[in-house]
Amino acid sequence: AQSVTQPDARVTVSEGASLQLRCKYSYSATPYLFWYVQYPRQGLQLLLKYYSGDPVVQGVNSFEAEFSKSNSSFHLQKASVHWSDSAVYFCALSIPGYNKLTFGKGTVLLVSP
Amino acid sequence: DPKIIQKPKYLVAVTGSEKILICEQYLGHNAMYWYRQSAKKPLEFMFSYSYQKLMDNQTASSRFQPQSSKKNHLDLQITALKPDDSATYFCASSQDPSYYAEQFFGPGTRLTVL
Repeated sequence: AQSVTQPDARVTVSEGASLQLRCKYSYSATPYLFWYVQYPRQGLQLLLKYYSGDPVVQGVNSFEAEFSKSNSSFHLQKASVHWSDSAVYFCALSIPGYNKLTFGKGTVLLVSP
Repeated sequence: DPKIIQKPKYLVAVTGSEKILICEQYLGHNAMYWYRQSAKKPLEFMFSYSYQKLMDNQTASSRFQPQSSKKNHLDLQITALKPDDSATYFCASSQDPSYYAEQFFGPGTRLTVL
């Protein structure tokens, strides 16, 4: 069965610093990969998605993610974080034949001033 | 204007009772979903509907029953509520049921079972 692992439950960075949130997946082929963000008391919003092509994908709000087939990873990155980026970030995948998303446990990002 | 409406926002219920969680989407989408987020488990898929037909059911318990009276409605009926059912329930929708379609999420209904 497919799965998603986000090894960091909580990440704290200073405003203006760079960010990497890690995501590893388990699936026999390349799945469709997503990063979602959840702000307090809100639903999830899509940041970016990947299936094929350039392994670096650009998303909203200057986020990008890099896919690595060899490492089965899809890490989220941002060059300079802002306090408003504080939220919970979820990595998710879907696979052909199924229309459900499988989520990781999420990473809480705290941006300190 | 909110595109996916979930009602109520908060819900408190007693053990053994029955509740219905409401979801309406105004995105013109053909597929709708329910997910659950609890303190003990990550966001987990429950149901998917496409054109008002059940596509996938990952919920082990028959106490959870989706109801689709209209194309843009997918309510969730939960019977014989248990404290373990306490969670935030998210409704989502996508243009079509394909695995690569972006799913849009509602704000959630936070259910507490006492």
